Amino acid sequence: NAGVTQTPKFQVLKTGQSMTLQCAQDMNHEYMSWYRQDPGMGLRLIHYSVGAGITDQGEVPNGYNVSRSTTEDFPLRLLSAAPSQTSVYFCASSLTRGTYEQYFGPGTRLTVT
Amino acid sequence: AQRVTQPEKLLSVFKGAPVELKCNYSYSGSPELFWYVQYSRQRLQLLLRHISRESIKGFTADLNKGETSFHLKKPFAQEEDSAMYYCALSRVDTDKLIFGTGTRLQVFP
Repeated sequence: NAGVTQTPKFQVLKTGQSMTLQCAQDMNHEYMSWYRQDPGMGLRLIHYSVGAGITDQGEVPNGYNVSRSTTEDFPLRLLSAAPSQTSVYFCASSLTRGTYEQYFGPGTRLTVT
Repeated sequence: AQRVTQPEKLLSVFKGAPVELKCNYSYSGSPELFWYVQYSRQRLQLLLRHISRESIKGFTADLNKGETSFHLKKPFAQEEDSAMYYCALSRVDTDKLIFGTGTRLQVFP
């Protein structure tokens, strides 16, 4: 199993550009989530999904969209990139909702200039 | 809303010294608490969870509901324990896992 994979590993965007961060898992996990990691602020939940076709907002959803058309994939879309979105983005998945262990991807380092 | 507080950004100790990474939470219900660890150049991974009441790599953590704390402890630190440690809280009635700001543990030889 590859576990949780994320692409790209690094990305530089100009302000106003849009892009999609890809996340996939091959463990048949129901639950998937996106976090951003910023110095001094820890990990903050952006969006999450408890199954295909179901998504919901986390702590910091503004400026981001998600969709979950399949169990395996959970892409994160930046609609119009801003410097404040410079961060490291982590995707995670777990067997189901609740208190199960979350498995994290390797992260995407995004810089917005 | 629930909140997780890790008051120390950096904790530095020498090898063999005891370690305690502090975690306090605010939530009036019954929380599920976790410690996650991120070693250099590795993925964030689960270290332990309070419902398991287990010891992993010599680390233990006890949930103290009276003090709303879930401190991570190890009696004798090792250099390989150097990493970023995150405390996290999940409520049984939501699907959100909320993380603290993290504590970097440095263990010197």
